[in-house]
Amino acid sequence: AQSVAQPEDQVNVAEGNPLTVKCTYSVSGNPYLFWYVQYPNRGLQFLLKYITGDNLVKGSYGFEAEFNKSQTSFHLKKPSALVSDSALYFCAVRPSRSYNTDKLIFGTGTRLQVFP
Amino acid sequence: NAGVTQTPKFQVLKTGQSMTLQCAQDMNHEYMSWYRQDPGMGLRLIHYSVGAGITDQGEVPNGYNVSRSTTEDFPLRLLSAAPSQTSVYFCASSKGLAGLGTGELFFGEGSRLTVL
Repeated sequence: AQSVAQPEDQVNVAEGNPLTVKCTYSVSGNPYLFWYVQYPNRGLQFLLKYITGDNLVKGSYGFEAEFNKSQTSFHLKKPSALVSDSALYFCAVRPSRSYNTDKLIFGTGTRLQVFP
Repeated sequence: NAGVTQTPKFQVLKTGQSMTLQCAQDMNHEYMSWYRQDPGMGLRLIHYSVGAGITDQGEVPNGYNVSRSTTEDFPLRLLSAAPSQTSVYFCASSKGLAGLGTGELFFGEGSRLTVL
């Protein structure tokens, strides 16, 4: 079955420290990978995506993510966390076009808490 | 542009009642979808549409109906509400099919539904 796993329900980090939010996936073929962020009482907002090419993808608000095909991972990273980064983060995957599916599969989300 | 607009933002229903959650987008997006968000379960796809007149089922379609008579609108109908349908519902749209091209999803702000 195609799936996305976010192994940590919550990640705590001090402001100014680097942060990592983990994501692994299990899909057939070459996946399209996404990160979204959700602030309280809001809809999800797109952060970044990996389709093909460079394994390090840069996105909004200073976030980046590294695609690792051998480990089937797509971890979200930021060199220096801000208190305003505190939110719920979702990893999502779309199986490659050859599988003819028009859906994004979302992980269960990781709550990031950045402490001053 | 208003983006993706959902109404109502909050609704309380009694078991067995029916209602429609409205979703409209003004970005001329082909792809529209409905998700429900439940604690610990992330986002689950209910129904989606790749264009006017075309709809398909997602992961959890039972108890819900959709139609797509225009590009702009994609209402979600609850036929006979059950407590298990208590959730936060998100409508999302995309220019391309989810994941193809620029096709990141644009989300509405959500509709919180409680079924007593």
